[in-house]
Amino acid sequence: KQEVTQIPAALSVPEGENLVLNCSFTDSAIYNLQWFRQDPGKGLTSLLLIQSSQREQTSGRLNASLDKSSGRSTLYIAASQPGDSATYLCAVPKAAGNKLTFGGGTRVLVKP
Amino acid sequence: EPEVTQTPSHQVTQMGQEVILRCVPISNHLYFYWYRQILGQKVEFLVSFYNNEISEKSEIFDDQFSVERPDGSNFTLKIRSTKLEDSAMYFCASNRRSGLSQETQYFGPGTRLLVL
Repeated sequence: KQEVTQIPAALSVPEGENLVLNCSFTDSAIYNLQWFRQDPGKGLTSLLLIQSSQREQTSGRLNASLDKSSGRSTLYIAASQPGDSATYLCAVPKAAGNKLTFGGGTRVLVKP
Repeated sequence: EPEVTQTPSHQVTQMGQEVILRCVPISNHLYFYWYRQILGQKVEFLVSFYNNEISEKSEIFDDQFSVERPDGSNFTLKIRSTKLEDSAMYFCASNRRSGLSQETQYFGPGTRLLVL
């Protein structure tokens, strides 16, 4: 059974600092890994999807890396801004289907 | 940009009552999902739906739950007799492909259900 873990559970940084968010998964037989953003009481906004054949995916200030063999992904957010304050979730689909298994999220606070 | 919509945004109900949560997936998507998130916990998969039938369901999705696509646009989740522990945020999602999927799942804003 796939287990997804995100450490740390919470992170507080001053504005301008780079953010590093970690995601680990127990079953490396994944097709892709998705990173989401969730604002308090709101839905999930897809940030990046990194395919199993990729090692890296970039979108603006966001960069996600994937190391399937070690069961890890890292989301980097460069030059953080107060508007980046949110919970960041990673999720992987079950190998033979499409059900997403989510990590518990990292709650980020960027202080002005 | 197309988006998944959900109604209502909030629903309060008495224990034992039936509720129907509604979703309008993105129009050219073929695969539909329901997830839920109990306050302070992980987002959990409930059910996936394709070609007018359930393709996968979790152990949470027992006989009290059902899904339906009553027309070409809506996708509903019904809880027949709500329990206190059904209180959660329910998310609908959709995408175009399954199996060897490299497609993002797009999530709606959620319905917050409170069972009293």
